[in-house]
Order: sequence, then structure tokens, then C-alpha cells
Amino acid sequence: EVQLVESGGGLVQPGGTLRLSCAASGFTFSNYWMTWVRQPPGKGLEWVANIKQDESEKFYVDAVKGRFTISRDNAKNSLYLQMNSLRAEDTGVYYCARKSSDSYFYFDFWGQGALVTVSS
Amino acid sequence: EIVMTQSPATLSVSPGERATLSCRASQSVSSNLAWYQQKPGQPPRLLIYRASTRATGIPARFSGSGSGTEFTLTISSLQSEDFAIYFCQHYNNWPLTFGGGTKVDIK
Repeated sequence: EVQLVESGGGLVQPGGTLRLSCAASGFTFSNYWMTWVRQPPGKGLEWVANIKQDESEKFYVDAVKGRFTISRDNAKNSLYLQMNSLRAEDTGVYYCARKSSDSYFYFDFWGQGALVTVSS
Repeated sequence: EIVMTQSPATLSVSPGERATLSCRASQSVSSNLAWYQQKPGQPPRLLIYRASTRATGIPARFSGSGSGTEFTLTISSLQSEDFAIYFCQHYNNWPLTFGGGTKVDIK
């Protein structure tokens, strides 16, 4: 069974940092692109970042470029999101998701999410 | 950036009735469109990809259609477990973007 479990969320002040982790199991993690998608409270979904299997390609939404860094450790079956210079508008649930096995960027499995709250 | 617009924002339907949800792209995304279902407190669940292909385990009452800029998700006979929010997402180019969602609630 595919499982994605996020951790590391919490309350942080504006300008602060936070590192999210996602532990993957039930599939060969190193074979898949992985993704972070976020959802502000009561709102819709926003794609944040993608990372290729070998970390050779990474893509970010403009709103987080230069502040967030996606990374992975295939030996630990883990995905990460380092978030710096956090702003109030970064508040939301952050989901780790697996990209489909074909060549297209839709997401076939999602974690339960980690809540990030940026507030003073 | 491609803007995805979903309508209506809320759809009130009786159990057993048909629901038709719309998703429009600000420019052509070919058939590079997915639909997701999200229930309160849960992550999104993939329903449809490539505009019309049902994901593994998705009941046949869910169907997708369309290409280019106009897409439709149809739920042929609403079951109690189908009351949820539905999002479309294009994956034609970067950045990937989602629609604002359609909430399907009980009439």
C-alpha cells in the first residue's frame, strides 16, 4: 500500500524557517518524481514544487522561488521542503504527492498533509 | 500562467441525480487535464486523468470529457459518498495550476 506521511509542520513567525518531511513507503520511491502542493485554509490547491528522481530537475511556482527548496533522499525514501523567509500567505496545509508513473504531471497518491501557520 | 476556472462554485444535487461540473482553461491544455475529489479533512484523490481516463478504483459513474479549453466531469447518479469538492488541474506546461473547485452538496 502506498503511504506518504508528512511531518514538520507548525507555527512559525514571519521571516522564519521550517523544514517539512515526507516519508514514503509501499512503492519504489526512487522511481518517481515527487511534488509538494499546498492549500490555504478553506481555499483551493496550489502546486508548489516538483523534483525528479535523481534531483537533476526541480521546478517551483514563482511565489516560492528563491525561498523554498525541494530535495529528496532516495536511501531514506524521503522528500523534503525547506521553507525560508516565510510569509503569512504561505500558511496552509502542505501535501506531499507522487507524480504518475507516465510522462504527465498529475498526482496519483497524496499524503494527509502538514499544517504550516505563519503568524506573529 | 494558465488560469483554470471552475463552475459553478457550488452545485446542489439530490442523491441519485446527475451532476455536471465544468472546468475552463484560459488557453488550450490539449487533453492534459486531471480531476480530483476532496472530502473535508482529507487529501485530494485522483479521479480522472488525460481528461477522460478513470484512475484505478474509480467507479464508472464518474466520467470526464473535453479537450482544448473546455472540460466536463459528470457524475451519473450521485451517491452519498460523492458529496465533496472537485478540483481540475492542467499539466500542459509550467506552472501547473488548479481550478478553484466546485463544491457538490446535498439538495
